[in-house]
Formats: sequence, C-alpha cells, structure tokens
Amino acid sequence: GQQVMQIPQYQHVQEGEDFTTYCNSSTTLSNIQWYKQRPGGHPVFLIQLVKSGEVKKQKRLTFQFGEAKKNSSLHITATQTTDVGTYFCAGSYSSASKIIFGSGTRLSIRP
Amino acid sequence: NAGVTQTPKFQVLKTGQSMTLQCAQDMNHEYMSWYRQDPGMGLRLIHYSVGAGITDQGEVPNGYNVSRSTTEDFPLRLLSAAPSQTSVYFCASSSRTSGGVYYEQFFGPGTRLTVL
Repeated sequence: GQQVMQIPQYQHVQEGEDFTTYCNSSTTLSNIQWYKQRPGGHPVFLIQLVKSGEVKKQKRLTFQFGEAKKNSSLHITATQTTDVGTYFCAGSYSSASKIIFGSGTRLSIRP
Repeated sequence: NAGVTQTPKFQVLKTGQSMTLQCAQDMNHEYMSWYRQDPGMGLRLIHYSVGAGITDQGEVPNGYNVSRSTTEDFPLRLLSAAPSQTSVYFCASSSRTSGGVYYEQFFGPGTRLTVL
C-alpha cells in the first residue's frame, strides 16, 4: 500500500550540530510536504516540493526531493534550541489524492 | 479568517458512547482531512474529502464516520467509542491548483479525546 517511511525516529544533538531526517516511499510521489510540530502544538507547514530533483532552502533548512520522486530529506545546519520539535514529511501519490504522513523525527537539542 | 477550528478541545467519553468532533474552515478549501496522533507517533489519516459530497477512507477508518455536506464543515463521528480511540485528533484543510497539486495543509488546534 501507499506508505511513507521516515527515519530516524529520534535524534538528539548538541546545539550547533547538523540534523537530517529522511523520507522514503516505495512508489513515486506526486509531491511531498514538510511540517514541524512543536510539543503540545499542531503541525505547521514548512515547504512543498513538486519537481524531480528539486532543492529548496529556508535559512538553515535545506529540503531535497529525489530524482525518482521516491525520497526526500530535510537538513538543518547548525541547530538551535528553537529547532526542537518533530519534523514530518507528507506525500501524495497522485493529484487530488489523500496526503499520507511519515512517522516523524523528533529532534531534541543539548544546549 | 479564523482558519481551521475544532471543537471541543478536550473530551472524556465512556466506552460505548458516541460523539461528534466538529471541524470547520473559512478558507473555501476543497480538501479536508482527519488525522489521529497517538503519543510518540505520527499522524494517521482517518478520512478525507476532496469536496462537498465526496469522502473517502484513509489509513485507519474503522470506528469512524464522516460526511461533507458543505465546503466549510467536516465532522467526525465516533459511533461507539473504544479505549483504543483515545488520541489527539487533528482536522486539516487545503486548496489545490488546477493541476490537482495540493497546497499546504492548515491544521486545527486538535481535540484531545480520552475513552475510559
């Protein structure tokens, strides 16, 4: 079935270290979105990738969509305490179809 | 704009009781969805709708019903609550391009449901 796998489940880093989370699908995605959820909050949209091989940057965050549109990654450079939260990818398999979330990566940071 | 609103914020039910979680959006979005989030886990899709009068099942639809009589509202019904349905429920909405690609999903604040 349609499933988006995300790893790692947890990541604990020292402030200033880099962080990466990966999403993978066995079938081609139409597009992929990334969300951040702070503890006790609701998911908040970060970005959407649509094109094969697309790379987008938001300050210290870099998002990539694989050439085959089956995988994606989010990389944070030089983490800060404000980056704490759970990062989710969410994919669609065709236009106007359901949006499926990955299981998320929880990022915690040692000051 | 209020965005996506959900009521109630908290609810405690006894096993076997029924209830409806309300969700409304004022952004004229075609797509609406319900997710549940269990502690330490991701968001699992329960049901979704691509427009008024159209609903479909997600990953975990059993025990839940939905309807979409208007663009604005997308209520989620628990017919006979079970302890396994204890969770945080999020409603979300999104619009899409003419080519069918969805824009960002806007989430409501969530409903924290406990079934005893």
